[in-house]
Amino acid sequence: EPEVTQTPSHQVTQMGQEVILRCVPISNHLYFYWYRQILGQKVEFLVSFYNNEISEKSEIFDDQFSVERPDGSNFTLKIRSTKLEDSAMYFCASIEGTEAFFGQGTRLTVV
Amino acid sequence: AQSVAQPEDQVNVAEGNPLTVKCTYSVSGNPYLFWYVQYPNRGLQFLLKYITGDNLVKGSYGFEAEFNKSQTSFHLKKPSALVSDSALYFCAVRDPTTSGTYKYIFGTGTRLKVLA
Repeated sequence: EPEVTQTPSHQVTQMGQEVILRCVPISNHLYFYWYRQILGQKVEFLVSFYNNEISEKSEIFDDQFSVERPDGSNFTLKIRSTKLEDSAMYFCASIEGTEAFFGQGTRLTVV
Repeated sequence: AQSVAQPEDQVNVAEGNPLTVKCTYSVSGNPYLFWYVQYPNRGLQFLLKYITGDNLVKGSYGFEAEFNKSQTSFHLKKPSALVSDSALYFCAVRDPTTSGTYKYIFGTGTRLKVLA
């Protein structure tokens, strides 16, 4: 069964450093998303991506965040200068029809 | 604006008993509704969805959910709970009338604890 894969599964970084979270969506899907879940809290929408551009972003997705699809398969989320409050589980998702398929998540810990 | 409410932070139920995890929603049009489950240190796993048609939808692992338009609810149910059902459950809504983004809005999650 096709699945969304995310790497790394866990990343520890120092405050102020840049991180790139990687996702490989399901190959024929066209809509891609990043969500995050701060420990014990709800899953929050960050950004949606379609046709190689951002289609919607939340207020969380400020200038420190960026997304791109550098090679037509990978879908990346970059945080330019991490803050302690960026520590969370980050989920990538791709959509076919009415169903979103989520990756297993990357746990980002900023120290 | 779209929103989803899961009024219970935690639900405890004895193994073998029926379980209900509550969800209510607010969306302008006819909603697409979903339930996802999250096991510890794992991603979000799709359980079931309501798009249209029969108000009672059946999903994975014996779960079902009933769409009630008048009460704007989409409660998750299972006739007989298992200890292995213990997990975090998220209700989500998508407003199909919003163009382009197919954005999902998640509830705050309900932790289900099934006691042996």
